[in-house]
Amino acid sequence: DAKTTQPTSMDCAEGRAANLPCNHSTISGNEYVYWYRQIHSQGPQYIIHGLKNNETNEMASLIITEDRKSSTLILPHATLRDTAVYYCIVPSLYNAGGTSYGKLTFGQGTILTVHP
Amino acid sequence: DGGITQSPKYLFRKEGQNVTLSCEQNLNHDAMYWYRQDPGQGLRLIYYSQIVNDFQKGDIAEGYSVSREKKESFPLTVTSAQKNPTAFYLCASSKGRGGTEAFFGQGTRLTVV
Repeated sequence: DAKTTQPTSMDCAEGRAANLPCNHSTISGNEYVYWYRQIHSQGPQYIIHGLKNNETNEMASLIITEDRKSSTLILPHATLRDTAVYYCIVPSLYNAGGTSYGKLTFGQGTILTVHP
Repeated sequence: DGGITQSPKYLFRKEGQNVTLSCEQNLNHDAMYWYRQDPGQGLRLIYYSQIVNDFQKGDIAEGYSVSREKKESFPLTVTSAQKNPTAFYLCASSKGRGGTEAFFGQGTRLTVV
């Protein structure tokens, strides 16, 4: 399983971009990088995922390095409501009944605090 | 609205009693998962299932049991054999077929006294 390494905590000023790094140096060629976040006492929320190209959606952008050993989640204009724990995950793939599934293993994540 | 529902949100039980946590989804997802979260920690996988009547142990299955009699439902029983059952329990589902975007319920906070 590809493991990920993230900083324990980060701070960001409201309205500025939050850039959250993640190292996944053992990722294999067919494994995706997923980002989730968890606001206190709630279930995690999916943010974005990618394989090798940069991705953008309404919540965030994901930049993956060319060697795929690291990635950065970008929240372009952080708000106070973005304060949460952010998890970078490389799901371990398994097959069951001819279908591919991904098992999510959560690490400690990065505690992002957005300040006024 | 489609989603995944856990109930109840808070649950109190006496030590030595079994307790069952409910998880229902109407997303037509094949895969369902149960996680446990302790204060200040990440989520740890208890059990997971891809199809009806089939499930696998996760990293911390001891003291827990599950069933998958219907695609929509994946209840978790915390048995008296679980030494430290007080925790936040989260259920998730995903469609599989390479799409591993998982949807989580809002969790059940179990307190055993």
